[in-house]
Amino acid sequence: NAGVMQNPRHLVRRRGQEARLRCSPMKGHSHVYWYRQLPEEGLKFMVYLQKENIIDESGMPKERFSAEFPKEGPSILRIQQVVRGDSAAYFCASSFGGQMNTEAFFGQGTRLTVV
Amino acid sequence: TQLLEQSPQFLSIQEGENLTVYCNSSSVFSSLQWYRQEPGEGPVLLVTVVTGGEVKKLKRLTFQFGDARKDSSLHITAAQTGDTGLYLCAGGPQGGSEKLVFGKGTKLTVNP
Repeated sequence: NAGVMQNPRHLVRRRGQEARLRCSPMKGHSHVYWYRQLPEEGLKFMVYLQKENIIDESGMPKERFSAEFPKEGPSILRIQQVVRGDSAAYFCASSFGGQMNTEAFFGQGTRLTVV
Repeated sequence: TQLLEQSPQFLSIQEGENLTVYCNSSSVFSSLQWYRQEPGEGPVLLVTVVTGGEVKKLKRLTFQFGDARKDSSLHITAAQTGDTGLYLCAGGPQGGSEKLVFGKGTKLTVNP
C-alpha cells in the first residue's frame, strides 16, 4: 500500500515564478490537508479539502495561494508569484475520514526554495 | 488562538539515559497526538491520547495526557541513538475544525 506521495521532493523557483506542489493521498482516502513548516517551527495548517471541495482554508494566505483536490488526480497546492518568504517545507496529509475520527498520514513533503 | 508550547526546545543526552519532554497549552484539546519527524521526512504518528489522565506505552516510550486535557508528556526510558529526531505534539481537532495545532517540537539528539 503506497503511502501519501508528494512531488516534487525539492523545488527551486525564482522570485515571481509559480510553484505547483502535488499530493496523491493514500488509496481510499478522500480527505487531504496541507501544512507548511518553516525552519525551527512546527507545522502550520493551511487548508483542508475533500474531493472537489475546500472545507477549511483558514490557514491559507489571502493572496497568491490556492489549493484544489479534483475528482480525478492529485491535490495541488499552487503558489503564484513566489517570494523568498514562501521558502518552506510543505506537507500533505490524507485520511479516510475527517481527523476527528481517523488517523491522518503525512507525505515526505516538498521543500520549496525561492531564489 | 490555540498554542502548544513544547519544552525543552533542544535536548542532547547520552545513550541509556531517560528523558521527558513536555507539551503545554492554556487550551483544552479533544485529543493530543505525538509525532516523530526525521530530517527530510514527514511526521510519523506515534500515539494519540484522548482521555484526560490517559497513559499509553509504546515499548520504551510512555505518553501521558493531563487530567484537564491541556498538557501532555512523553517519557523515553533508556534512550537509543535511533530515538534521535524531532518530537512534535499536536492538539485537536476540536470545535468543528479538522485542523491540528502543532507545537514547535523538541529536537532530541541521543549520542552513542
